[in-house]
Amino acid sequence: GAGVSQSPSNKVTEKGKDVELRCDPISGHTALYWYRQRLGQGLEFLIYFQGNSAPDKSGLPSDRFSAERTGESVSTLTIQRTQQEDSAVYLCASSHRVLTEAFFGQGTRLTVV
Amino acid sequence: EDKVVQSPLSLVVHEGDTVTLNCSYEVTNFRSLLWYKQEKKAPTFLFMLTSSGIEKKSGRLSSILDKKELFSILNITATQTGDSAVYLCASAFSFGNEKLTFGTGTRLTIIP
Repeated sequence: GAGVSQSPSNKVTEKGKDVELRCDPISGHTALYWYRQRLGQGLEFLIYFQGNSAPDKSGLPSDRFSAERTGESVSTLTIQRTQQEDSAVYLCASSHRVLTEAFFGQGTRLTVV
Repeated sequence: EDKVVQSPLSLVVHEGDTVTLNCSYEVTNFRSLLWYKQEKKAPTFLFMLTSSGIEKKSGRLSSILDKKELFSILNITATQTGDSAVYLCASAFSFGNEKLTFGTGTRLTIIP
């Protein structure tokens, strides 16, 4: 597609449930990033995929968070046993291997009630 | 630990004023510095800077990088209400790790 696509755009879930967020990067972009942004705060790095290299998972806040990416395409971010503090906007971005300008999707607003 | 610091955290000015936003960084293997504008959810790309002293310009916005002093500035002249947003600065590393580290942003509010 023309841009980074994320789904769903909004998700309300009950505490303790698992959620799965999806990101479709720009075609041809080998790098894919997940960020979390709590209300009024900055972007918190979660995980980074680059081609077939091992992902940089250093930003994942707990073992309830995991992410996968199929080749150089779709990525899913899974949050297990959601907690209220997981409520945030989850942003996905992709970039070309050589150019590092990253383009963002519209994000998924997750609300845990 | 690599970090990016932006100042001020927030800024309120009148329409027509000129503003300067600051970004300093401490990163290993620095490759580039990027500026984004975030109005609602998705940050939109403004500039990418890799060389010192070369100004990037787009309309009323301009930015420059100082790799010796490890900072960048974003200037907006003749501000308009549509410039109200959070402006984010990010640094990218090299050597196969282009992870972007973001600052917390500067919230700019333009009063009509």
